[in-house]
Amino acid sequence: DAGVTQSPTHLIKTRGQQVTLRCSPKSGHDTVSWYQQALGQGPQFIFQYYEEEERQRGNFPDRFSGHQFPNYSSELNVNALLLGDSALYLCASQWGVEETQYFGPGTRLTVL
Amino acid sequence: GENVEQHPSTLSVQEGDSAVIKCTYSDSASNYFPWYKQELGKGPQLIIDIRSNVGEKKDQRIAVTLNKTAKHFSLHITETQPEDSAVYFCAASKNDYKLSFGAGTTVTVRA
Repeated sequence: DAGVTQSPTHLIKTRGQQVTLRCSPKSGHDTVSWYQQALGQGPQFIFQYYEEEERQRGNFPDRFSGHQFPNYSSELNVNALLLGDSALYLCASQWGVEETQYFGPGTRLTVL
Repeated sequence: GENVEQHPSTLSVQEGDSAVIKCTYSDSASNYFPWYKQELGKGPQLIIDIRSNVGEKKDQRIAVTLNKTAKHFSLHITETQPEDSAVYFCAASKNDYKLSFGAGTTVTVRA
């Protein structure tokens, strides 16, 4: 049973560029959440997708957007990258009303 | 929104001793409290969770206790082993599936 997978593993971008990160949920899961984890801190909730719609959003600017596909996989897009966007981006999946979230290994984004 | 505070930020224990990490939360409506372990270069791994209708839960060497009145919950690891060395995060949520995390505790088990 494959767990949550994310791609790419690492990414280096420059300020002002745009980036797309990808996530495939754990088998049987239909809900995907994205979190940002700065170095030495706990993950911060960005948004959650369910039935291809954004169900909830944290305190992140509109530069952060996402999408969920019919197969439940998801993308996180960040526009106009800032140095402060450098972080580990984590994807978590769960099934519907179940509370337990399972995390992927993350994508390390470095903005120069 | 929910605010979760976690203490201590670092914890060093001798192998075989116990480790205790404490968290407090601000929103009395929170009702789900998971604990995650994160090793270097990896994503958080769920190790145990507890819901607000339960006061204590145990899984082998790991236990979690919840005090709803005081709004705090704790992780207890007994008979620590070198492989328990990692960063541990507590989190809270309230039926909205959004997890609010503490800042983490770096646990080092000395051989």
